[in-house]
Amino acid sequence: RKEVEQDPGPFNVPEGATVAFNCTYSNSASQSFFWYRQDCRKEPKLLMSVYSSGNEDGRFTAQLNRASQYISLLIRDSKLSDSATYLCVVNHDYKLSFGAGTTVTVRA
Amino acid sequence: EPEVTQTPSHQVTQMGQEVILRCVPISNHLYFYWYRQILGQKVEFLVSFYNNEISEKSEIFDDQFSVERPDGSNFTLKIRSTKLEDSAMYFCASSEFELRNQPQHFGDGTRLSIL
Repeated sequence: RKEVEQDPGPFNVPEGATVAFNCTYSNSASQSFFWYRQDCRKEPKLLMSVYSSGNEDGRFTAQLNRASQYISLLIRDSKLSDSATYLCVVNHDYKLSFGAGTTVTVRA
Repeated sequence: EPEVTQTPSHQVTQMGQEVILRCVPISNHLYFYWYRQILGQKVEFLVSFYNNEISEKSEIFDDQFSVERPDGSNFTLKIRSTKLEDSAMYFCASSEFELRNQPQHFGDGTRLSIL
């Protein structure tokens, strides 16, 4: 089983739409969780950390379900600039494990 | 905003040659990492480094790889005898505190092409 699994998408949505996607992780001892975004051939950039109680950062909402080992990201009122690959990232000890990414394309 | 810088942005090397990738982490960060991303694949952890020692390394990080912090600012990844399959994007990252709840900040990468 892969350490971090994500729906690859692509999710193709119009501007202003809401889009949500998930990831699952296999290691129940994982300690912290993040969403990064990656534009084509660029470095991963931190979007937000994910906390047990769920958290929001502007139009982005992240949820964590430790019992089900499941993390979600919801983007409201999507913008053209939200088009990217979203990476689910899980920390265990001193290393990050990355999902393969979910591709989101926002169209005008 | 402080950032992690990597040089060169693109390195082309003949198979079997040694290559050194360089990184300057954010100045007050204490934990350093290397990752790689083969084209079309996910980002993979290589190694973490703290207090002049390797903290953790992956199966990818075999005897051909080494890391060093030669001075107070640089953090390097050396591949001793490159193979075709080493062609990838290599990302350096750093974090201020121990990783557990601290996100890592990534440099913009070195594209390594092995011919």
